[in-house]
Amino acid sequence: SAVISQKPSRDICQRGTSLTIQCQVDSQVTMMFWYRQQPGQSLTLIATANQGSEATYESGFVIDKFPISRPNLTFSTLTVSNMSPEDSSIYLCSVEDGLRSSTHFGPGTRLLVL
Amino acid sequence: GNSVTQMEGPVTLSEEAFLTINCTYTATGYPSLFWYVQYPGEGLQLLLKATKADDKGSNKGFEATYRKETTSFHLEKGSVQVSDSAVYFCALALSGYSTLTFGKGTMLLVSP
Repeated sequence: SAVISQKPSRDICQRGTSLTIQCQVDSQVTMMFWYRQQPGQSLTLIATANQGSEATYESGFVIDKFPISRPNLTFSTLTVSNMSPEDSSIYLCSVEDGLRSSTHFGPGTRLLVL
Repeated sequence: GNSVTQMEGPVTLSEEAFLTINCTYTATGYPSLFWYVQYPGEGLQLLLKATKADDKGSNKGFEATYRKETTSFHLEKGSVQVSDSAVYFCALALSGYSTLTFGKGTMLLVSP
């Protein structure tokens, strides 16, 4: 399966600031996804990152708050903008495997907003 | 809409005990079903999957059978180890779509 890395692995940020999270895959993939896992909660899909077009956001998530880039088939970024303590979560990048039969996740970025 | 319901945890067991974590789903269409595991401080790992009714997914001694008649995908292991302590997530994906709907997760704690 694809090897997925994320940077940073964790960060502590001040409210009102923004953080950009990077996701790198060791092979070309069509679909990349961003999920959020709030403390003690399950994972919620934020958006699908499409190469060459705008990301597709799920209900409750907007581009102004979570802008996403997808410049090529191996890389994507998620920015958490104008952060508040409620944004403290683990943010995970994921990709589907080559057979489109399962989804694999990166190690996650643990974000704490003070 | 689509949803996944898991039994609430934590599930506390002694080493070598039998494990069952219940998972039921509702979905429009015919989903693929997954179990993911998250070890302490780590990311999410795919544990096993099943793509159609009556399929059995298995890995590392864990098994789950896709039961369409009961819309269930219960996770089982015959003899748990301390190293199995983790949070287990049941999830579904609709055919042709790659996005996942997750249950809330069940924490498993195994003591020596």
